[in-house]
Parts: sequence; C-alpha cells; structure tokens
Amino acid sequence: GQNIDQPTEMTATEGAIVQINCTYQTSGFNGLFWYQQHAGEAPTFLSYNVLDGLEEKGRFSSFLSRSKGYSYLLLKELQMKDSASYLCAAVGGMNRDDKIIFGKGTRLHILP
Amino acid sequence: NAGVTQTPKFRVLKTGQSMTLLCAQDMNHEYMYWYRQDPGMGLRLIHYSVGEGTTAKGEVPDGYNVSRLKKQNFLLGLESAAPSQTSVYFCASSYEVAGVVDTQYFGPGTRLTVL
Repeated sequence: GQNIDQPTEMTATEGAIVQINCTYQTSGFNGLFWYQQHAGEAPTFLSYNVLDGLEEKGRFSSFLSRSKGYSYLLLKELQMKDSASYLCAAVGGMNRDDKIIFGKGTRLHILP
Repeated sequence: NAGVTQTPKFRVLKTGQSMTLLCAQDMNHEYMYWYRQDPGMGLRLIHYSVGEGTTAKGEVPDGYNVSRLKKQNFLLGLESAAPSQTSVYFCASSYEVAGVVDTQYFGPGTRLTVL
C-alpha cells in the first residue's frame, strides 16, 4: 500500500533548529515535496527532492534517502512566523497518472 | 497573474442541497486537483484531471463529481450534500515534467458546512 508518516506535532524555541521527519511507502517514486501551511491558509511550496541528498534553500533544507524511504525538513534560526503545519508529500505511481500523496502534516509550535 | 482562484470562499448548505465549486487557474497547467482537508486527516484527493476533457477518481471520490471542459477550469459538484462533506476544499494545479507531476499551486480554499 501507499503510506506517508510524519509526527503529528512538534515544539521548538525561537532561534533554535528543528528537524521534521517523514517516511513514505509508495508504488513507484518520482520525488518528495514539502509544503508549509499556516492555519486557515492554503499550502505553499517549500522544496522538492528527487535525488538522494540535501537541498538547501536559505533557512530551510530538505534531505532525501530513496533507499530508506525517508526525508526530513530542517528549519534553522526558527522565527515565530515558522509556526505552521508542514506537509510531506510523495509523488507515487508508475505512469502519467502519478499522484501526489500527502502525509497528515506536522504542526510546529514555536515558543519565544 | 491571479494563480489559482476558488469560488465561493464560504458556503453553508442544508442536507440534500446541491452546489458546484469552481476552480480557475491562469498558469496554463495541465494537471488540476480537488482535495478536502479535515482535522487530523491531512489532504485527501477527491478527483483530479491530467488535461482538458479528462477526469479521474482520487482517494475519496464518493458523493462528488467533476468536470474539466476548459483547461483553465475544474469544477467540483456535490449532488446531494451530506454533513460528512463538511470540510475545507482546496483546488490545486501543476505542470507535468516528462510525465511526472511538478510543484502544485493551491487555491485559497472553500469552507463548506453542511447542516
């Protein structure tokens, strides 16, 4: 079957570093997305990994290990505005009908 | 360039009523999607389309129908609304790159309550 797991909630302190993990099982794999979603708003794109390794983009980095079915999102120098849900999503499928499968999201609370 | 827009933003229905949610995108994307998001459930795919005139079922299609008569529009219909369809509905669109889904862009959402 197809499944995505990520922690339900995490708490971190302003200025610190936090790592949000995601494991996935899909029939076929064509990449992994991370989205940020503030309460009451739409998800917005953060990163996309297709190959193994770390992709860095400012304060946010995303890592992928295809052999382990594992990804993480690393947030550095946390700010209060980073309080949001973070959605892990894998592109599965074997043909043109590839679909994106979303995890349930990790709600991140930032404490001052 | 408005991106992805959804109408209406809010709606309250009585059980058994019907309605249509409209999604429009101006990015010339091939793929369009309808999701619902419920507390603790994450985003669940209702229906999607890989091009004008095509539709396909997602994870939770029962009670919904869709149409993609024009490339820029994707309509979601509820023929007979039920309280279980109370949710936030998001539309999204994306390019495809070599047959693989690319980044999705989401609309602002429609908050639907069925009494």
